[in-house]
Amino acid sequence: ETGVTQTPRHLVMGMTNKKSLKCEQHLGHNAMYWYKQSAKKPLELMFVYNFKEQTENNSVPSRFSPECPNSSHLFLHLHTLQPEDSALYLCASSQERVGIAVSYEQYFGPGTRLTVT
Amino acid sequence: KNEVEQSPQNLTAQEGEFITINCSYSVGISALHWLQQHPGGGIVSLFMLSSGKKKHGRLIATINIQEKHSSLHITASHPRDSAVYICAVPLGSARQLTFGSGTQLTVLP
Repeated sequence: ETGVTQTPRHLVMGMTNKKSLKCEQHLGHNAMYWYKQSAKKPLELMFVYNFKEQTENNSVPSRFSPECPNSSHLFLHLHTLQPEDSALYLCASSQERVGIAVSYEQYFGPGTRLTVT
Repeated sequence: KNEVEQSPQNLTAQEGEFITINCSYSVGISALHWLQQHPGGGIVSLFMLSSGKKKHGRLIATINIQEKHSSLHITASHPRDSAVYICAVPLGSARQLTFGSGTQLTVLP
């Protein structure tokens, strides 16, 4: 039990659909992350939210749209995706201290397995 | 060329064997993470270390900052250790982890 939940766990969508992935952390953390893991490729950071402000956007296409309404919830809105967007999407959270730029341990959710048809 | 290199990519061992997985990176870092990913995708953070050695149960992680190299050791390996082991380092900002491609470990009974 990691304290980070993701829904849905599996999603199949067509290229014209709009869907959203949800992440919730129950750890009281102030930073949340979206990662993409494609088959045979390393994990890639997509977005980082720190204190609800987006602080990193790793050149992600605009068909992926993140939303962080509060420090416990993170969404990834999907629209007009391509088959190559099929991947495992992982959410993570960490507790960061203001003004201290060091790496913090991240806690991961179970992921959403996305298939775009 | 990946800035975080792991070796080996695949490793098969017999139960009880001592396992070593290596990670090399290209620039100075504040800390290195070792993660474990089980079939189905869930990832668990094993270690975060910035110097020396850390031990948790049968797992030991070491790091040599000068040589930009870290190793993950598993003593008395067990089939339940079968997973993908991933190292990650903050090569950009402190929050932006860059991941190795992972080592698929299979421990046979």
